[in-house]
Amino acid sequence: EVRLLESGGGLVQPGGSLRLSCATSGFTFNNYAMSWVRQAPGKGLEWVSAIDGSGGDIFYADSLRGRFTISRDNSRDTLYLQMNSLRAEDTAVYYCAKYSYDRGSFSFDVWGQGTMVTVSS
Amino acid sequence: EIVLTQSPDTLSLSPGERATLSCRTSQSLIDNSLAWYQQKPGQAPRLLIYGTWNRATGIPDRFSGSGFRTDFTLTISSLEPEDFAVYFCQQFGISPRWTFGQGTRVEVK
Repeated sequence: EVRLLESGGGLVQPGGSLRLSCATSGFTFNNYAMSWVRQAPGKGLEWVSAIDGSGGDIFYADSLRGRFTISRDNSRDTLYLQMNSLRAEDTAVYYCAKYSYDRGSFSFDVWGQGTMVTVSS
Repeated sequence: EIVLTQSPDTLSLSPGERATLSCRTSQSLIDNSLAWYQQKPGQAPRLLIYGTWNRATGIPDRFSGSGFRTDFTLTISSLEPEDFAVYFCQQFGISPRWTFGQGTRVEVK
């Protein structure tokens, strides 16, 4: 069974940093691109960042303006999100999601349970 | 960036009724790369439909997707009690900004 388990969330002051992790199991991690998606309280879903299987291609939402860094350790089957200069508007549940490509189409076929990040003084 | 607009915001229906959810994209998705997700309170989203009409593994056949270019639809043929949730569409047509719609809540009438 494919599993994704996020950790590392918590309460942080504005301007602070956090590093989120997503431990995976049940599939060949380095064969799949991965992504982070966030959801502010009571709001919709917002794609944050993506990384291909080798870590060579990386993409970010324009709104992040270089504050976040996605990475992966294929030897540990783990995805990361380093978040710096955090703002109140970064408060959200952060999900990691596995890309799937099937029948000519992409999707996020498996999601973790999410980790809550609260930015507040 | 492609903007996805879902309608209605809220759909009030009774179990057994048919639900029709709309997702309109601001640019044409030439390869029909649109997915639908279901989210229940306190849970992660779950993939329902990908590539406009393909059901994900384990998804009941009462869920179906259709559409073309800029107009897409998720249909639930007969609502079960467990189907009352929020539904999001997402486009994969223009990489890599994988934008989502704002969501449609299906609630019990």
